[in-house]
Amino acid sequence: GAVVSQHPSRVICKSGTSVKIECRSLDFQATTMFWYRQFPKQSLMLMATSNEGSKATYEQGVEKDKFLINHASLTLSTLTVTSAHPEDSSFYICSANSGTSGGPNGELFFGEGSRLTVL
Amino acid sequence: ELKVEQNPLFLSMQEGKNYTIYCNYSTTSDRLYWYRQDPGKSLESLFVLLSNGAVKQEGRLMASLDTKARLSTLHITAAVHDLSATYFCAVDGTSGSRLTFGEGTQLTVNP
Repeated sequence: GAVVSQHPSRVICKSGTSVKIECRSLDFQATTMFWYRQFPKQSLMLMATSNEGSKATYEQGVEKDKFLINHASLTLSTLTVTSAHPEDSSFYICSANSGTSGGPNGELFFGEGSRLTVL
Repeated sequence: ELKVEQNPLFLSMQEGKNYTIYCNYSTTSDRLYWYRQDPGKSLESLFVLLSNGAVKQEGRLMASLDTKARLSTLHITAAVHDLSATYFCAVDGTSGSRLTFGEGTQLTVNP
C-alpha cells in the first residue's frame, strides 16, 4: 500500500538552531500534505496544510515564521523549525492523501513521526 | 469550529471483558477515522467510516457511525492485553483530509 515516510525519526538539537523534517509520499503524488504536532500524553493538533507550489495554510496560533513549510514537489513537504527552543520539543507527524483531491477515491496515510528534542 | 470529544479518556479493563469508546463531534462530516497509537509510535489506521449507519469490524474491534447523532463508537469485544494502546477518533469536516482529533482514549487491558 501507499506509504508516507518521515525523516529523521528522532532529532536532538541545541536551543537556537533550526531543524528540518522531511515528509515524502513514496508511491503516490500528494498535492496536499498536513503537519501535526503531538505533545506527550496529548492528542494531535493540526499545525498547517502544505500545498504543492503555493504557500502553506497555517492554523490559528501557529507561527508561520517559526515553522517554515515548503512543498516543492508532489512527493515532498518539509517542515523547518527555526530557532528551536525547548518548548518546541514534540512529536511531529505528517499525513498525505493518495487521491488527487482528497475525495472519496483517496486514502489517508500518516508518516512514522519525528521526535524533536531541543536542549 | 469542529470539536471532537471522546470518552472515556482513560479505560482500564480486564481481559475478556467488553467495552465501548464513544466519539462525539459537533458539525456534519464526510468521514470519520479511528486510529490506534502505541507509545512512541505514529498512528495506525483502524477504520474509516463514510456514511450513516456504517459498521466495520476487524478482529475484536468494531466501529459504527451515526451521522444524525454525530456519534461514532468503537466497541471492544473480549479484550486482550495486546489491545492496550491509545485510540483516537478523528473527523474530516472539510472533505480534504484535514482532520480534527479527539483527545484520545488510553486503554489498558489487564491480565
